Amino acid sequence: GAGVSQTPSNKVTEKGKYVELRCDPISGHTALYWYRQSLGQGPEFLIYFQGTGAADDSGLPNDRFFAVRPEGSVSTLKIQRTERGDSAVYLCASSTRVNEQFFGPGTRLTVL
Amino acid sequence: GDSVTQMEGPVTLSEEAFLTINCTYTATGYPSLFWYVQYPGEGLQLLLKATKADDKGSNKGFEATYRKETTSFHLEKGSVQVSDSAVYFCALTLNNDMRFGAGTRLTVKP
Repeated sequence: GAGVSQTPSNKVTEKGKYVELRCDPISGHTALYWYRQSLGQGPEFLIYFQGTGAADDSGLPNDRFFAVRPEGSVSTLKIQRTERGDSAVYLCASSTRVNEQFFGPGTRLTVL
Repeated sequence: GDSVTQMEGPVTLSEEAFLTINCTYTATGYPSLFWYVQYPGEGLQLLLKATKADDKGSNKGFEATYRKETTSFHLEKGSVQVSDSAVYFCALTLNNDMRFGAGTRLTVKP
């Protein structure tokens, strides 16, 4: 079956704008994760969903960042009032067990 | 907090050379350990994993052994190929999130 997909693959926006990044996990995977990867760094954990609920959002950097997963499948990461420092690749992963996360290709966000 | 430290790159090797990329971890419990690989233009792929002490993960000629006494999970390959050129990430998970190292870029020259 299909892997994790993320849209858009690239997003360019202006400082202060609102953006939404979408993740379609592997069918049947109950757990979904968002990470942020800055240039030259490893992915940094943002938030984890188990089903529809955010089980751990301790990695969200501030209240401009929010994520939802209303039906326990697709998830949307929302960033309000974007700043240049938000520029990064945003990665989504899904799993049935913590020991096996499958990553999507990422969305490259550029804030001008 | 829980964290991973891996060897800084970049690493440049000739084809058929021996590869070691060092990784050490700090964790309050007993994490599972992973190596992920990111080929140019592609997403992160799981390369191998180990879930308990003394486990050895292996895949595509790569190996890593979970060493609790040295809190290490070094990646090794006996004979690298040009196609192994990529960025390699060491990672651990203890609860719900995965903690990654900064990545090591490997370039293999023919």
